[in-house]
Amino acid sequence: EIVMTQSPGTLSLSPGVRATLSCRASESVSINLAWYQQKPGQAPRLLIYGVSTRATGVPDRFSGSGSGTEFTLTISNLQSEDFGVYFCHQYKTWLRTFGQGTKVEIK
Amino acid sequence: VQLQQSGPGLVKPSQTLSLTCAISGDTVSSNSAAWNWIRQSPSRGLEWLGRTYYRSKWYSDYAESVKSRIIISVDTSKNQFSLQLNSVTPDDTAVYYCARDAAVCDSWGPGTLVTVSS
Repeated sequence: EIVMTQSPGTLSLSPGVRATLSCRASESVSINLAWYQQKPGQAPRLLIYGVSTRATGVPDRFSGSGSGTEFTLTISNLQSEDFGVYFCHQYKTWLRTFGQGTKVEIK
Repeated sequence: VQLQQSGPGLVKPSQTLSLTCAISGDTVSSNSAAWNWIRQSPSRGLEWLGRTYYRSKWYSDYAESVKSRIIISVDTSKNQFSLQLNSVTPDDTAVYYCARDAAVCDSWGPGTLVTVSS
């Protein structure tokens, strides 16, 4: 099983700044890496897949980068509606796994 | 694609958890999608449970943690798939999601909170 580890656990930031979220895989997942946003009471929403491709309707302030085992989700110009928990997810293996999440709080 | 979940929110210990996911906007027999069950709890986070998919015949894959207790089945006439988890314990209390996997899980059901309690 590929273990996904995210950092930090929580980010508390002001609107307008840049948020940087990290995700590390226990072995290479190639480009099979996605990011989800989840708000309370809702299902996860796909933001990024293939490391850096934004899903339909996702604002361009969200960007993904990385390869192999180290990945980053960047939210530039943080907006109040960007609060929530962000999960990374590998789909290289049929046994899909998720990170434990990074909570983004808006100051 | 829209996924609509149904099933009881309360199950007694040792009994069977059963949930159904109705699909609109795609077909369960699609040759390019897989149909997944994923659960989420504070203790386990997001945990993938298993999937079923059709590639000339039906296949299923299950997580080791539930492999002895899980069945994912399909009803093509109703365009839906179902989760059956046997011999549940309070540790199976979670929000259960169905999700379409077209290389990545891009569409999710709204989730069903299932509580295992007597």
